[in-house]
Amino acid sequence: EIVMTQSPGTLSLSPGERATLSCRASQSVSTYLAWYQQKPAQAPRLLISDASKRAAGIPARFSGGGSGTDFTLTISSLEPEDIAVYYCQQRLNWPLTFGGGTRVEIK
Amino acid sequence: EVQLLESGGGLVQPGGCLRLSCAASGFTFGDYAMNWVRQAPGKGPEWVSSVTNGRSSAYYADSVKGRFTVSRDDSKNTLYLQMNSLRAEDTAVYYCARSIPYWYFDLWGRGTLVTVSS
Repeated sequence: EIVMTQSPGTLSLSPGERATLSCRASQSVSTYLAWYQQKPAQAPRLLISDASKRAAGIPARFSGGGSGTDFTLTISSLEPEDIAVYYCQQRLNWPLTFGGGTRVEIK
Repeated sequence: EVQLLESGGGLVQPGGCLRLSCAASGFTFGDYAMNWVRQAPGKGPEWVSSVTNGRSSAYYADSVKGRFTVSRDDSKNTLYLQMNSLRAEDTAVYYCARSIPYWYFDLWGRGTLVTVSS
């Protein structure tokens, strides 16, 4: 099983600041990685697929990068509505696995 | 409107069974692989099961293999999850999710809560 590890656990930033979230895979997943945003009492929402492809309707301030074992999700300028937990997920191998999440808070 | 709507959750005793349903609308259900993903209280998502379109190959997490069965009825635009021999650790919100090729989840339902407790 590919283990996905996210850091930091919590990120506290001011509006307008840049947020950088990390996801590390226990073995290479090439670019078969997605990022999701989950707000309280909502289902997760797909932000990024194949490491860097923004999903339909996702604002340009969200970008993804990386390959192999190390990936980043960047929010270029944090908006109050970006308060959420963010998860990465690999699709290279069964079982499909998610990271433990990074909580983004407004300082 | 493109949407997924889960139903069938509830309170069940350990060892019991439930069948979850997921009704799809607004898109051609038969063109997509479908999935079940669960989320225990305060935890991250956990993939449970997937079923392809077409020949309907199924895949399961080890934690549910042999106890859960995924199926689909394309004529009814509905996905199912038959859950047997339920355990306390199966307690979670169960989401139905559509896959874009392949195995990312681009559309999610609102979820249905399954509680396994005596």
